[in-house]
Amino acid sequence: QSALTQPSSLSGSPGQSITISCTGTNNDVGDYDFVSWYQQHPGKAPKLVIFDVTKRPSGVSSRFSGSKSGNTASLTISGLQPEDEADYHCSSYTGSSTWVFGGGTRLTVL
Amino acid sequence: QVQLQESGPALVKPSETLSLTCTVSGYSVSSGFYWGWIRQSPGKGLEWIASINHSGSTSYNPPLKSRVVISVDSSKNQFSLKLRSVTAADTAIYYCARDSSPFDSWGQGTLVTVSS
Repeated sequence: QSALTQPSSLSGSPGQSITISCTGTNNDVGDYDFVSWYQQHPGKAPKLVIFDVTKRPSGVSSRFSGSKSGNTASLTISGLQPEDEADYHCSSYTGSSTWVFGGGTRLTVL
Repeated sequence: QVQLQESGPALVKPSETLSLTCTVSGYSVSSGFYWGWIRQSPGKGLEWIASINHSGSTSYNPPLKSRVVISVDSSKNQFSLKLRSVTAADTAIYYCARDSSPFDSWGQGTLVTVSS
């Protein structure tokens, strides 16, 4: 059960759109539509922003969207805002009530 | 609104057992869902450790399975983690969370340092 692969860092300017990738295998991302994304500000607990690949929890901005193709899931943030600067972690179900996370991506808003 | 709070020693000696408890408020652990533990080593990503449901069914991350026990105490609305034979590599912030597939509510986390 290896960690999902994410870019270690990304950056974007206010107003731009960015996409964070999350690559797994056909035993996790490719086999289940249970990919979730978490936003984590420094010193804070993670916060769920996307679940079941594309769904947004109540209260999460519509600027956050998710998708999946094959073994790779993606999180897109449109209209970047300064408060979007944070670490983003993906996660996938791997069967038998088990989960795997990615290594996390640090997003900098320039 | 469900709230979770971790508690336990901040410092554990190498080879000893790390013990943490998560107290849940605003929701009964016996009403449903799984309840899980996730950790984050300094400057690293998240690592799922284990989950347990209201009836006591458990699931563990395979690399940690031999050292971990997760349990639930419905009478106290708590669930707990025990990680034995710890080393410096187990130093991390430990989070408890409601595992509703996904993890939709998290505790604030507690830093546990393994050191003599």
